[in-house]
Amino acid sequence: AQSVTQLDSQVPVFEEAPVELRCNYSSSVSVYLFWYVQYPNQGLQLLLKYLSGSTLVKGINGFEAEFNKSQTSFHLRKPSVHISDTAEYFCAVSDTGGFKTIFGAGTRLFVKA
Amino acid sequence: DSGVTQTPKHLITATGQRVTLRCSPRSGDLSVYWYQQSLDQGLQFLIHYYNGEERAKGNILERFSAQQFPDLHSELNLSSLELGDSALYFCASSVFSGANVLTFGAGSRLTVL
Repeated sequence: AQSVTQLDSQVPVFEEAPVELRCNYSSSVSVYLFWYVQYPNQGLQLLLKYLSGSTLVKGINGFEAEFNKSQTSFHLRKPSVHISDTAEYFCAVSDTGGFKTIFGAGTRLFVKA
Repeated sequence: DSGVTQTPKHLITATGQRVTLRCSPRSGDLSVYWYQQSLDQGLQFLIHYYNGEERAKGNILERFSAQQFPDLHSELNLSSLELGDSALYFCASSVFSGANVLTFGAGSRLTVL
């Protein structure tokens, strides 16, 4: 079975500052890792995914994430945030067969002017 | 518009009642996943169907059931509703490849009074 822990429930940050949203996972099998974003009153959208290969993954809107197998982490980063990045961010893990995708509890990013 | 259609958008009903939520997947996607999102439990995986067959089950209550029809649309049936069933129910679809990226609908908000 897989599980995902997002270490911060809320992250307030000033506009143009860097941000890191932390995610740890556990699994007894190989997994794929994802970050999704949910804007108010909308469904989730994919930000980026790690399947294999380079451990640094780049996604949309300037976000990137680094897969660290030894620490079982997949932290999301952005060097300079905008007001429009205010949203809830979900880390997710999927078995490689694609049968189920498990989501973390979410991190609410609040970007202040 | 993600291409995943969920109806109804909002539903208000009473305890003990039964409701049906409907999902039409994105064109070409054979897999449908159901999730429940509530404030206290986050985004919980309920069930996954692929081309009409159940593929994985998560934390789905016995009072809940789902199916996927030959035209690939899916329905989630919730019966003997309780106050705690009030939540946002999301449907997601995918092509069900190894890189299992989910495309989410906008959700159905269920309120049980």
